[in-house]
Formats: sequence, structure tokens, C-alpha cells
Amino acid sequence: GAGVSQTPSNKVTEKGKYVELRCDPISGHTALYWYRQSLGQGPEFLIYFQGTGAADDSGLPNDRFFAVRPEGSVSTLKIQRTERGDSAVYLCASSLGLAGVETQYFGPGTRLLVL
Amino acid sequence: SQQGEEDPQALSIQEGENATMNCSYKTSINNLQWYRQNSGRGLVHLILIRSNEREKHSGRLRVTLDTSKKSSSLLITASRAADTASYFCATDKGRGSTLGRLYFGRGTQLTVWP
Repeated sequence: GAGVSQTPSNKVTEKGKYVELRCDPISGHTALYWYRQSLGQGPEFLIYFQGTGAADDSGLPNDRFFAVRPEGSVSTLKIQRTERGDSAVYLCASSLGLAGVETQYFGPGTRLLVL
Repeated sequence: SQQGEEDPQALSIQEGENATMNCSYKTSINNLQWYRQNSGRGLVHLILIRSNEREKHSGRLRVTLDTSKKSSSLLITASRAADTASYFCATDKGRGSTLGRLYFGRGTQLTVWP
């Protein structure tokens, strides 16, 4: 079946602009995760959804970052007033539902560049 | 913050040789997973080992876990040029407010020369 998909693949924006990054999880997966990966680093956790609700958003760096999953499937990560330091690859992952037990399957990521 | 640390940071070997990567972590875990990443994009899941398991095999991969030393190793046997990638370990504490969150190390960059 289809894996996790993310759009766009690449996003170039200017400092101060607003961006939205989309994630389509594997069908039937109730858990969805966002991570951010800077160059030369491992992914860092941002937020985790179980169904429609954010079960843990403690990884979001500040209030410019927000994520939604209104129908329990597709999720959108929103970044307001982008800064150059937000440049990174944003990775989305999904798992079957029992967080901490199932494997997390990752999408190809969105590479964000803030000029 | 990142809890796992892979060692070495970079490994360069010839095709046919075995590659061993190590991962150390700081706190107790529920399970540990190894992922592979090509060219800084999506991660591919390789293997998951639970805290009550000591060794697991999958094809040319062998993973060990020593919870007393808080360490794991990934062995790739008979390596191929196509195994060239970054390899990450990720731990899951599996409890409380951190349930669901994976903690990744910085990764080992493996290069396999033909």
C-alpha cells in the first residue's frame, strides 16, 4: 500500500512569511508524528497526534509553530513569521495506533529553506 | 534533546566487509529502533528490538541490545555499495508524557566502497 506522503517536497520562502507543510499518513494509522531534522543531526520530535488531538506538543520550539489534524488523517504543520533558523527537513511519520509499540513509518520529508 | 548517540560518526569499508555501528542511550527505554536514511530525506525502518529482547536478526542485519549498559549495536554483514547511507538509532521511553516520542542520535554515516 501507499506510504506516508508529504507535500511539498521542497519549499523556499522569505523570512517573515507563513508556510504550511502537509502530511498524508498511511491509511488506517491513527498516530501521526512530526519531526524536524537539521543538517548533520538526527530528527527531533515536534508533536504527536493520536486521532484528531495533539497528545504531546511539547517539542514545538515556540508559538510560531502549530499543527492540526482535524479529521484524524491528514495533518498540516503551520509556521508563522518564518525565520532563517527554521530551515530544515520536516519529517512526518505515522504508526498504527499504540504509540510506543508500533514502528513509526516516515515520509520523504519537506525541505524548507528560509531566505 | 537527543538521547541516543551513535558511534562511530563515520565508517568507511569495502564491499563484502561487515559494518558494526553502536548506539548508547541515557535513560530506560521501552524499545529501540534502527533507521536508515539516504541523502537526508525519509527514514526507512530497519528493525525494532524491545527492551526484553537481547538479539534480533533480519536478513543481513543483526541487532543486539544490552539494557544494563544502555547500548545497542547494528551489524550489517557482507556489505554492499547500496548500503551506503546514514544509520540512526531511536529510543522510545514508552511511558508518561513522552509516550510516542522517538529520541534519535546524530547517526553514523556508512560508506561502502565497491
